[in-house]
Amino acid sequence: DGGITQSPKYLFRKEGQNVTLSCEQNLNHDAMYWYRQDPGQGLRLIYYSQIVNDFQKGDIAEGYSVSREKKESFPLTVTSAQKNPTAFYLCASSITPPGNEQFFGPGTRLTVL
Amino acid sequence: GQQLNQSPQSMFIQEGEDVSMNCTSSSIFNTWLWYKQDPGEGPVLLIALYKAGELTSNGRLTAQFGITRKDSFLNISASIPSDVGIYFCAGPGNYYGQNFVFGPGTRLSVLP
Repeated sequence: DGGITQSPKYLFRKEGQNVTLSCEQNLNHDAMYWYRQDPGQGLRLIYYSQIVNDFQKGDIAEGYSVSREKKESFPLTVTSAQKNPTAFYLCASSITPPGNEQFFGPGTRLTVL
Repeated sequence: GQQLNQSPQSMFIQEGEDVSMNCTSSSIFNTWLWYKQDPGEGPVLLIALYKAGELTSNGRLTAQFGITRKDSFLNISASIPSDVGIYFCAGPGNYYGQNFVFGPGTRLSVLP
């Protein structure tokens, strides 16, 4: 089955530690995205990547880093510089235009203790 | 940048009732997407709209691309318990159309 997978579903980390969230897709999509969702709010874009080895900052990139070494994978690292990292993180992918509907993974809930 | 507003913020309805919600933008859009998110899950794409005035259905769901291109509407007919969730609208974002900006969502509760 084609789709987007994120792992783990739940992640707990101590304050001050970096943590990496996984996102893999087998939809053959060129573009991938990371969003952050806080309770009762919409989705905010952290980073996006249109092609391998290229990525761009979104609206709230501070304290986060990404890499795009393979088309299928777009891992997100939440660094210790992120002041409020506890949130629900969603990865998405899309084909490049035309038709850039985004499809989402199941999300990772990160809790920093 | 683009901002989306959704109304109502939340709604409680009886099972079997029809539901209407809308989304407005501060700028003109050429695409509207509607997503549903179940608790603790990723959003699922319901309907995509690409043309002003377009009316598209997906089962009991019907969405319309407003004529002004600054709004969109989602209707759910004969609601059932599994319609519970948060409904988001989305439109092209700030980054050369490569991403989407999302509204704050409408939270739907269905009472038996």
